[in-house]
Amino acid sequence: GENVEQHPSTLSVQEGDSAVIKCTYSDSASNYFPWYKQELGKRPQLIIDIRSNVGEKKDQRIAVTLNKTAKHFSLHITETQPEDSAVYFCAASPSEYGNKLVFGAGTILRVKS
Amino acid sequence: DVKVTQSSRYLVKRTGEKVFLECVQDMDHENMFWYRQDPGLGLRLIYFSYDVKMKEKGDIPEGYSVSREKKERFSLILESASTNQTSMYLCASSTTGQFYEQYFGPGTRLTVT
Repeated sequence: GENVEQHPSTLSVQEGDSAVIKCTYSDSASNYFPWYKQELGKRPQLIIDIRSNVGEKKDQRIAVTLNKTAKHFSLHITETQPEDSAVYFCAASPSEYGNKLVFGAGTILRVKS
Repeated sequence: DVKVTQSSRYLVKRTGEKVFLECVQDMDHENMFWYRQDPGLGLRLIYFSYDVKMKEKGDIPEGYSVSREKKERFSLILESASTNQTSMYLCASSTTGQFYEQYFGPGTRLTVT
């Protein structure tokens, strides 16, 4: 089955700097890669996603890149702000399992002001 | 606005008790999911359901069962609670199809003593 590894487990950046979180997946059949953000004490929420036929997607200060050959994808946050502090989860969805997601272990991002 | 609610935010049970966790969604979603969240392990899928009375095992189904008698309600059952089932339990729902967001409930923090 699918296995998703996420690095780093914790990341501290200065406000205004960029942050990058990386994930690798094992199942070449996976074709959908969402990212969820979970603020302290709150539920996870989708912030951006990418499908396997696209190499990069941007939404304001966040972007996701996908390298299908290497089976890895990354989340990029530019101009970080204190409200970006949260736990970020990457996930992969093998196409044959419909909407099932396999999540990474999560990255705790701390933005220091 | 999608709403996913869970029956309890905090629950304390004794070893060996039968525990019911309930999840209700109000968006007529076909798919519903139960995850457990543990530090350093991310979100792990216990069971999911893609239709009423239909269920599929996730990655860690041992010690759990589920019930979906109505489309809007998905219950997680711990047949005989054990201390290693102390965790945060998150329910989610989504519409049919691979590329759709999963909407999460607020979570139930279960402690088994």
